[in-house]
Amino acid sequence: DTEVTQTPKHLVMGMTNKKSLKCEQHMGHRAMYWYKQKAKKPPELMFVYSYEKLSINESVPSRFSPECPNSSLLNLHLHALQPEDSALYLCASSQAIDRGAYEQYFGPGTRLTVT
Amino acid sequence: QQQVKQSPQSLIVQKGGIPIINCAYENTAFDYFPWYQQFPGKGPALLIAIRPDVSEKKEGRFTISFNKSAKQFSLHIMDSQPGDSATYFCAASLEYGNKLVFGAGTILRVKS
Repeated sequence: DTEVTQTPKHLVMGMTNKKSLKCEQHMGHRAMYWYKQKAKKPPELMFVYSYEKLSINESVPSRFSPECPNSSLLNLHLHALQPEDSALYLCASSQAIDRGAYEQYFGPGTRLTVT
Repeated sequence: QQQVKQSPQSLIVQKGGIPIINCAYENTAFDYFPWYQQFPGKGPALLIAIRPDVSEKKEGRFTISFNKSAKQFSLHIMDSQPGDSATYFCAASLEYGNKLVFGAGTILRVKS
C-alpha cells in the first residue's frame, strides 16, 4: 500500500483564522514532506522531517508551522495567511533519508483558499 | 545548477502516438531521476524512475531513456491513450533523495 492520506480535501480560511492540515501514512516511512503547488507549476518543497525531526525548512514564512507528532503523522499549522498562500498543499513520504530516500509518495493534497 | 529544464511545455498527440518529453540537468551530483504524473486536482503519482548507471528503463508503456554524458533524460509513452492526458513532471534528486528538484512540467493531451 503506497497511500498517503490528507485532510481536509478543501479548506477556505480568512486571513485571521488558525487552521491545520493533516497528513498520514502507514508505509513505515520515516521521512515526510510538505510541498506547496500553485496552478500550472511544479511542487515546491517547504519542509522535510526525518525521524520526526525537522531537517529542512526552505525559508518558509513563520505563518506556516509544521509538526510531526509521530512517524505516521504530519501536520501543518496555518495562521494569519495571505491570499497569495492559496494553493494545493501536498504531503509526501519516503523511506528514511539515510536508507536512500528516493521514492517519494504524494498524497492527494489539500486545496487551500485564503480569503 | 539546481535546475531541471523540461520541454515541451505542452504536447498534443493522437491516440496510439508516442509522446516524448525531455529533461536536461547540469548538476552531476543528481543521482536519481523520477517522473511523476499528475491529474487535475490530484497529487503527483510516481510513474517511473531511473538511476544514472542505467541507460534505459521500461515499465509497461512508459520508458525512460537516460544519456549521462549529455545530462539529458526523456520519457516515452508507447501507444498513448486519452487516459494518459495529464501533466508530467521530471525531477532529479540530491542527498539521498530528500530534495527533489522538479522540471516545470509538460501538459499532455492525447486525442481520441
